[in-house]
Amino acid sequence: EVVLTQSPATLSLSPGERATLSCRASQSVSSHVAWYQQKPGQAPRLVIYDASNRATGIPDRFSGRGSGTDFTLTISNLEPEDFAVYYCQERDNWPPFFGGGTKVEIK
Amino acid sequence: QVQLQESGPGLVKPSETLSLTCTVSGSSVTAYYWSWIRQPPGEGLEWIGCIYNTGTTYYNPSLKSRLTISVDTSKRQVSLKLSSVTAADTAVYYCARNFGVLNYYDSWGQGTLVTVSS
Repeated sequence: EVVLTQSPATLSLSPGERATLSCRASQSVSSHVAWYQQKPGQAPRLVIYDASNRATGIPDRFSGRGSGTDFTLTISNLEPEDFAVYYCQERDNWPPFFGGGTKVEIK
Repeated sequence: QVQLQESGPGLVKPSETLSLTCTVSGSSVTAYYWSWIRQPPGEGLEWIGCIYNTGTTYYNPSLKSRLTISVDTSKRQVSLKLSSVTAADTAVYYCARNFGVLNYYDSWGQGTLVTVSS
């Protein structure tokens, strides 16, 4: 099974700053990685799919890149509503796996 | 707008069967795969399994021996049954719509907390 390691576990930033989140896979998953945002008490929300494609309704301050084993989610110019936990997920293996999450908190 | 609503008992005794239903509105039930995903309190996400309208199912191998997922297209419902539960099965259970034929999830229910305890 593939293991997805997300870093850092917590990112403390101020509104307006840039957030850079990492997701590393234990084996190649091509470009088949998604990112989800989860706020307390809510279900996850699809943000990015296939490494770099924004999901419907996601603002362009969210961007993703990567392939193989290393993936990055960047949130430029953090808005107050962006502070949340972000999970990566791969679909290249069976069953699909999620990373452990990165919490983006207000500094 | 797609809406998914999970329902079922919030408390299940150890060794019994956990049963949940997801009612779908605002989306074709027959055109998509439907998945169940769970999240233990304070922890990450675990994919449980999915089903297509034909009844084709895919299960997480770690749960396969205890798991049944079914779909009733006439009622627009997807169901989950997990037998012989233990405290380790305590989690928020989400139903979710697959993003096309891909194993990503673009619409989610609000989730329902199921606690396994005597």
